[in-house]
Amino acid sequence: AQSVTQLDSHVSVSEGTPVLLRCNYSSSYSPSLFWYVQHPNKGLQLLLKYTSAATLVKGINGFEAEFKKSETSFHLTKPSAHMSDAAEYFCVVSDAGSARQLTFGSGTQLTVLP
Amino acid sequence: GAVVSQHPSWVICKSGTSVKIECRSLDFQATTMFWYRQFPKQSLMLMATSNEGSKATYEQGVEKDKFLINHASLTLSTLTVTSAHPEDSSFYICSATGQGVKTQYFGPGTRLLVL
Repeated sequence: AQSVTQLDSHVSVSEGTPVLLRCNYSSSYSPSLFWYVQHPNKGLQLLLKYTSAATLVKGINGFEAEFKKSETSFHLTKPSAHMSDAAEYFCVVSDAGSARQLTFGSGTQLTVLP
Repeated sequence: GAVVSQHPSWVICKSGTSVKIECRSLDFQATTMFWYRQFPKQSLMLMATSNEGSKATYEQGVEKDKFLINHASLTLSTLTVTSAHPEDSSFYICSATGQGVKTQYFGPGTRLLVL
């Protein structure tokens, strides 16, 4: 069985300051991990994914995430927030590199203050 | 990246009517498609998984006779909400994957409002 916990339902940062969205996972096998972003009334856009290659994964729009097996974490970071980053972010886990069974976290709403 | 489209993007219907939502993979062969629903301020919940040419597999608690899924070709899956009721109002999102594709590509979603 696999599960994912997003530790914060809401995060608020000022524009230009760093972003940290936290995610912990549980998986019976070597997991694949993803971060998706969803803007209001829109579908999901893949930010980045980890599939057992480099543990530091760089994604689009300046986001990156580090896979830490010892901590079972996959936190999403960005050095400097933009207003356009305001959205809902989902951490997602999938077993063994398969795209067939995704388990979604509950989501983190990111607010960026001017 | 691969493109998945959904049609319509918005639909409003009367209670008791049926609504069909289409999900298309535009540039790859989608051997498997997934249907999710998302209530406001909540995460995505998987409703069913469909493999091309076979019956869909429904998640526990999802009524297969109410949410009819057809995946007759490698580029098209449809979800029909039969006898829709206001509690079926939600955001429905499809995704698709294929042979050698190691991720799911998501459609833009369809917002259904049942009056």
